[in-house]
Amino acid sequence: DAGVIQSPRHEVTEMGQEVTLRCKPISGHDYLFWYRQTMMRGLELLIYFNNNVPIDDSGMPEDRFSAKMPNASFSTLKIQPSEPRDSAVYFCASSLNRAGNTIYFGEGSWLTVV
Amino acid sequence: AQKVTQAQTEISVVEKEDVTLDCVYETRDTTYYLFWYKQPPSGELVFLIRRNSFDEQNEISGRYSWNFQKSTSSFNFTITASQVVDSAVYFCALGYPTGGFKTIFGAGTRLFVKA
Repeated sequence: DAGVIQSPRHEVTEMGQEVTLRCKPISGHDYLFWYRQTMMRGLELLIYFNNNVPIDDSGMPEDRFSAKMPNASFSTLKIQPSEPRDSAVYFCASSLNRAGNTIYFGEGSWLTVV
Repeated sequence: AQKVTQAQTEISVVEKEDVTLDCVYETRDTTYYLFWYKQPPSGELVFLIRRNSFDEQNEISGRYSWNFQKSTSSFNFTITASQVVDSAVYFCALGYPTGGFKTIFGAGTRLFVKA
């Protein structure tokens, strides 16, 4: 079975530009998570969805960040406008719809904003 | 509030040494789950183990073993006879109910295994 698929794997963009990160969860998984990893803050949960519905977006840093899940097999994380401090690795992860189920991560999207 | 603490930022050992990575968690929930993940230099996050709060049995998988103690809120990870390929960042994580089910991570412990 395919794992969590993220794109792009690497992106370099200029400050002020819009960035869209994409994720395809594992088929059959009902939970989808977006995490951000930086040296300073470690792995932070930004937002998660259950059955395409956002459950908790308290980790989204500010209004420049938005996430959507239009269907069970696709999610986007958008940053508009991007800033250099947004440079990080963004991980998408998914799990089955059962409490405490293991979450499986994609390979990450490495974002650099210059 | 829920929290995961990995007090060891970096550990350096020589190959074949045993090494224990510490993890202390905080939660008031009676039902929760604990996890360990490995992040090798290539960057992906690899699941290692999952434990629920009602199962304090220790587990061994090859050179890896885990010690879960609710009395001290700890879930420590030991690598026996470490190898260079074990060099990675190891994350402990706590999953707990909150509307849905949320998983938070510790800061990670970077393990260097020298040949």
